[in-house]
Amino acid sequence: KAGVTQTPRYLIKTRGQQVTLSCSPISGHRSVSWYQQTPGQGLQFLFEYFSETQRNKGNFPGRFSGRQFSNSRSEMNVSTLELGDSALYLCASSLAGTSGYEQYFGPGTRLTVT
Amino acid sequence: GENVEQHPSTLSVQEGDSAVIKCTYSDSASNYFPWYKQELGKRPQLIIDIRSNVGEKKDQRIAVTLNKTAKHFSLHITETQPEDSAVYFCAAGGNNNDMRFGAGTRLTVKP
Repeated sequence: KAGVTQTPRYLIKTRGQQVTLSCSPISGHRSVSWYQQTPGQGLQFLFEYFSETQRNKGNFPGRFSGRQFSNSRSEMNVSTLELGDSALYLCASSLAGTSGYEQYFGPGTRLTVT
Repeated sequence: GENVEQHPSTLSVQEGDSAVIKCTYSDSASNYFPWYKQELGKRPQLIIDIRSNVGEKKDQRIAVTLNKTAKHFSLHITETQPEDSAVYFCAAGGNNNDMRFGAGTRLTVKP
């Protein structure tokens, strides 16, 4: 089975721009979660999508949004980028959700905002 | 929502010694507690997990204990090896709540 893939792997954007990141889960997995990882902050939960519906949301401003398609692929969008948005964005897929199912992480997209 | 605290943030041990990482959580409804290992430049990977109906689980040199009353759980690594050097994350979740992660522990095993 192919693992979780994320595109692009690296991205450089300018303050004020917007960005869209993509995540393709493992075949058969219906849940996709997104995390922001920065040095010293660990993994900060952004949101989880399950069967095209946002099931949970972390404490991030409305500039961060996402969606999930019928094939379970998910996209995350950040509008009006700020310098503090520079981070590694990881997505993780699981069979049926974060409730008791192992999450498989993608390689991440490293976003740099200048 | 769930809040997970993890200690220590850094841990250095000699090869062969044991390492213990502790986490506490706030939501008594949480019932699933995984541990992830992230090596430098790589993605986090599950190394062991425990559910609330079990107090302890062991897999070779790795064990996890859970105290639901006190809302804390711990990772124990025995006979540490240099390849155990990585960042370890605990997490808590369940009941369709999101999975919240601790801030991570950077473990260094000195040969």
